[in-house]
Amino acid sequence: DAGVTQSPTHLIKTRGQQVTLRCSPKSGHDTVSWYQQALGQGPQFIFQYYEEEERQRGNFPDRFSGHQFPNYSSELNVNALLLGDSALYLCASSWGSGNSYEQYFGPGTRLTVT
Amino acid sequence: GQQLNQSPQSMFIQEGEDVSMNCTSSSIFNTWLWYKQDPGEGPVLLIALYKAGELTSNGRLTAQFGITRKDSFLNISASIPSDVGIYFCAGPQRANRDDKIIFGKGTRLHILP
Repeated sequence: DAGVTQSPTHLIKTRGQQVTLRCSPKSGHDTVSWYQQALGQGPQFIFQYYEEEERQRGNFPDRFSGHQFPNYSSELNVNALLLGDSALYLCASSWGSGNSYEQYFGPGTRLTVT
Repeated sequence: GQQLNQSPQSMFIQEGEDVSMNCTSSSIFNTWLWYKQDPGEGPVLLIALYKAGELTSNGRLTAQFGITRKDSFLNISASIPSDVGIYFCAGPQRANRDDKIIFGKGTRLHILP
C-alpha cells in the first residue's frame, strides 16, 4: 500500500520563476492538503482540496494556487517566487468530505529560491 | 487566530530517561494531534485525542487531552535513540464550516550519547 508520494524531492529556482510541485495521496484517500514548513518551524497550512475544489485556504497570497485531478492527485503552483518561499512543502492526504484530522504526510519537496 | 505553544523547545536527555512535553493554547481545541518528524521526512501521526480528559497510549508514548481543552501532554517512557526528532502538537482551527489543522513549533528531542 503506497503512502503519500511527492515529486520532486528537491528543487532550486530563482526569484521570479514559477514552480509546480506534485503529490499523490495514500491509496483510498480523496483529500489533499498542502503545507509550507520553514526551517525550524511547524508546518503552516496552505490549502486543502477535495472533489477537485479548494475547500479552505490558509493565509497565503494568490501566488500560491493548486489543483486536484480526478484521480485525487494534486499540484501546488507558486508564481513569482520570492526568497522567502524557500521551505519544505508537505502534502498530506486524508479521507472523507468531513473534517478528517488524521492526515498522512509525504516526505516533502525541498524548494530553494536563490 | 489560535496558536499552539509547545514547551520545551528542545530537550537533551540520556537514553532510558522518561520525557514529558506539553502544548497549550489560549483557545479551546476539540481535537489534539501529536506528530513526530524525522530529518528529511514528513510528520508521522503518533496519537489523536478527541475527548477532554482522554488518555491514549501508543507503545511507550502516552498522550493526554487536558480537561480544560486548552492543553495536551505527551510522555515518552524509557527513551531510545530512535525517539530523536521533532514532536509537534496540532489541532483543528475552525474556519467557516471547515477546520484547518494548525501546528505548534515543535519540541526537539536530543539523546545524549
